Amino acid sequence: DAGVTQSPTHLIKTRGQQVTLRCSPKSGHDTVSWYQQALGQGPQFIFQYYEEEERQRGNFPDRFSGHQFPNYSSELNVNALLLGDSALYLCASSSPTSGGETQYFGPGTRLLVL
Amino acid sequence: AQSVAQPEDQVNVAEGNPLTVKCTYSVSGNPYLFWYVQYPNRGLQFLLKYITGDNLVKGSYGFEAEFNKSQTSFHLKKPSALVSDSALYFCAVRWPYNTDKLIFGTGTRLQVFP
Repeated sequence: DAGVTQSPTHLIKTRGQQVTLRCSPKSGHDTVSWYQQALGQGPQFIFQYYEEEERQRGNFPDRFSGHQFPNYSSELNVNALLLGDSALYLCASSSPTSGGETQYFGPGTRLLVL
Repeated sequence: AQSVAQPEDQVNVAEGNPLTVKCTYSVSGNPYLFWYVQYPNRGLQFLLKYITGDNLVKGSYGFEAEFNKSQTSFHLKKPSALVSDSALYFCAVRWPYNTDKLIFGTGTRLQVFP
């Protein structure tokens, strides 16, 4: 049973560029959440997708957007990259509508903005 | 505001000794409580959770946690530490009222010495 997978593992971009990160949820999970973990900090909630719609959003600007596909996989897009966007981006999957309160995390994508 | 506090940046313990990693949260209803562990350059691994019921919950790798509602705490414990337990530990809280997002503490680095 495959866990949560993310791609790519590492990414280097320059300021002003755009980036797309990808996530495949754990088998049987229909909900995907994205978190940003800056160096030395705990993860911060960006948003959550369920049934291909953004269900909840954290305190992140509109430069951060996402998408969920019919197979429950998800993308995180960040436009107009800033140096401060450098972080580990974590995807988590769950199935809360089935009583699954636990979010299971992928290995993350480490983004470096130069 | 809802928040989670991990008052110790680092905990040092000798192998074979018991360990405790502390977590407290701000008061607001009956939250769900989680512990995750993060190894270097890895994502978060789920250890255990408290939803309801017995205040002492057992999780993976011999870890357990005690929920104390009066002290709003959820401390992680292990009777006998292993060197391989050395990692970064995060406490997380979810308020199950119209939200699925996890709020994380800043993390505690556990160092187990041989």
